[in-house]
This record gives sequence, structure tokens and C-alpha cells, in this order.
Amino acid sequence: NAGVMQNPRHLVRRRGQEARLRCSPMKGHSHVYWYRQLPEEGLKFMVYLQKENIIDESGMPKERFSAEFPKEGPSILRIQQVVRGDSAAYFCASSPIRVEQPQHFGDGTRLSIL
Amino acid sequence: KNEVEQSPQNLTAQEGEFITINCSYSVGISALHWLQQHPGGGIVSLFMLSSGKKKHGRLIATINIQEKHSSLHITASHPRDSAVYICAVRSDSGGSNYKLTFGKGTLLTVNP
Repeated sequence: NAGVMQNPRHLVRRRGQEARLRCSPMKGHSHVYWYRQLPEEGLKFMVYLQKENIIDESGMPKERFSAEFPKEGPSILRIQQVVRGDSAAYFCASSPIRVEQPQHFGDGTRLSIL
Repeated sequence: KNEVEQSPQNLTAQEGEFITINCSYSVGISALHWLQQHPGGGIVSLFMLSSGKKKHGRLIATINIQEKHSSLHITASHPRDSAVYICAVRSDSGGSNYKLTFGKGTLLTVNP
């Protein structure tokens, strides 16, 4: 039973480009959470999605960031027109039931902006 | 002040020592998580607890709800335990009880 799969593991982009981060939840999990870990800071909640629905995007910057979790395929975190401050590790987690079960984390995507 | 505070920030120990990492929080919670992150690596969930104590191998986690405090203990520490240990709390707010708030982590280095 594969765990949460994130790809790519490392992503390098130049300022102004777009970054797409993918997350495939564990089999049977229908809840996906994205977190950002800035250098020297703790993890911060960004967005919570269920299939085809954004439940809570309160932690996501209003500009340039978007997330989706389509009926088929992985969840995508998309960052448009990246800036240096977007450099961070982005982690995805999934859970089968929102509250009772712990979230299972992926290995993260390290995004570097040149 | 952060909602979740961990201490110490950095901890260096000799192999075999007993390790304690502390976590204090200031909000109402439904559960507390202890996570492990190796440098450049992914995040592994060690424990989720809402009361009392849990044990897994050499790891023990305790929580005191009244005092809003949790501890993670490692007995007979080993160099492979070197990692960042992160405390995270799950809100008890009915509408957003999926949301995790994280401490900044404790960097543990165990020397042989």
C-alpha cells in the first residue's frame, strides 16, 4: 500500500515561471492537505481539499497560488509567477476520515527559485 | 506568542542517553501529534494522542490536557534518532478540527 506520493522531489524555477506540485494521496484517502515549510520556520497549513472541492484555503496566499483535487488524478498545488519568497518545502498529507485518523505525510517537494 | 511552543530548539545527546522534548500549547485541542522529520526528508507521524500516554518501542509520548503540555521521550537514544521532532495540535473548533498547528521543531543530534 503506497504512501502519499509527491512529485517532483525537487523543483527549480526562475522568477516569473510557474510551479506545479503534485500529490497522490494514499489509496482510499479522499482528504488532502497542503502545508508549507519556510526555511527556519515551522510548517504552516495552506489548504484542505476533498475530491473536486476546496474545503478551506485560508492558509493560502490570495494571489498566484491555487490548488485542486480533481475527480481523477493527483492533487495539484500551482504557483504562478514565482518569486524568491516562494522557496520552501511543500508537504502534502492525506487522511481517510477528517478527524479521527492521523494525517499521512508525503516526502515533500523542495522548491527553489533562482 | 506562537500557539505551539517546543523546547529545547536544539538538543545534543550521547548515544544511550534518555531524551525529553517538550511541547506547550495555548489553544483548545482535540488531539496532539508528534512527528519526525529527517534532514531533507519526509515527515513521519509518530504518535497521535488526546490523553494519557502512548509507547512505541523506545518512544513514549505523554500529554497533560489540564496543563496543556506534552512530552516526547526517547529511551536509550541512538544516532539514527537524530532528526527534527515536531509537535502539532489539532484544533477542537468544530468547524476546523482538521487543521494542524505546528511547533517549530526540536533538532535532536545523537552522537555515537
